[in-house]
Amino acid sequence: GEDVEQSLFLSVREGDSSVINCTYTDSSSTYLYWYKQEPGAGLQLLTYIFSNMDMKQDQRLTVLLNKKDKHLSLRIADTQTGDSAIYFCAETGGYQKVTFGTGTKLQVIP
Amino acid sequence: SAVISQKPSRDICQRGTSLTIQCQVDSQVTMMFWYRQQPGQSLTLIATANQGSEATYESGFVIDKFPISRPNLTFSTLTVSNMSPEDSSIYLCSVQEGNTEAFFGQGTRLTVV
Repeated sequence: GEDVEQSLFLSVREGDSSVINCTYTDSSSTYLYWYKQEPGAGLQLLTYIFSNMDMKQDQRLTVLLNKKDKHLSLRIADTQTGDSAIYFCAETGGYQKVTFGTGTKLQVIP
Repeated sequence: SAVISQKPSRDICQRGTSLTIQCQVDSQVTMMFWYRQQPGQSLTLIATANQGSEATYESGFVIDKFPISRPNLTFSTLTVSNMSPEDSSIYLCSVQEGNTEAFFGQGTRLTVV
């Protein structure tokens, strides 16, 4: 079945850039997502990218997709303490379930 | 975009009882999904609920434990039956229409004591 892998933890200093990586196995993935989950809260969709795109930028967020290597990354520029959360990578082939990664806990050190 | 409302947002329940979680969408959607997020874990799909047919359950989930209703194109319920502490999780409703992004409710935080 589909599998989505992420590293479990990332620590960065406030003001630095954060890069969260994700690998997936489903070659039929259509959409790839990044969700943010703050403590005690639900999921917040940060951004998503179509599988035929290489990059998408949205303010401080940059998503890079290497479809050949099935590698997705989320870069957060000028990371703030409010960015501390768990970030989930996810993928779907459309009309299908969303498969989530294990989540990466981002800790921002003031 | 779809706006999803889930009720209740949280609940504390006695073991052996059942809880029904409601999911309301502000537009008609074909496919609705129920996920579970156990403490410290990622999200796992419980079942897919399509209007007019029985829900399709993922491996490890059964209808007797998680009965689902889908009476129309904007509403679904998930019941967690005969609860035990292991059922303590966040339960999330999600919709996805065709080749579009997936939308999630804020989730129901369930604690079973």
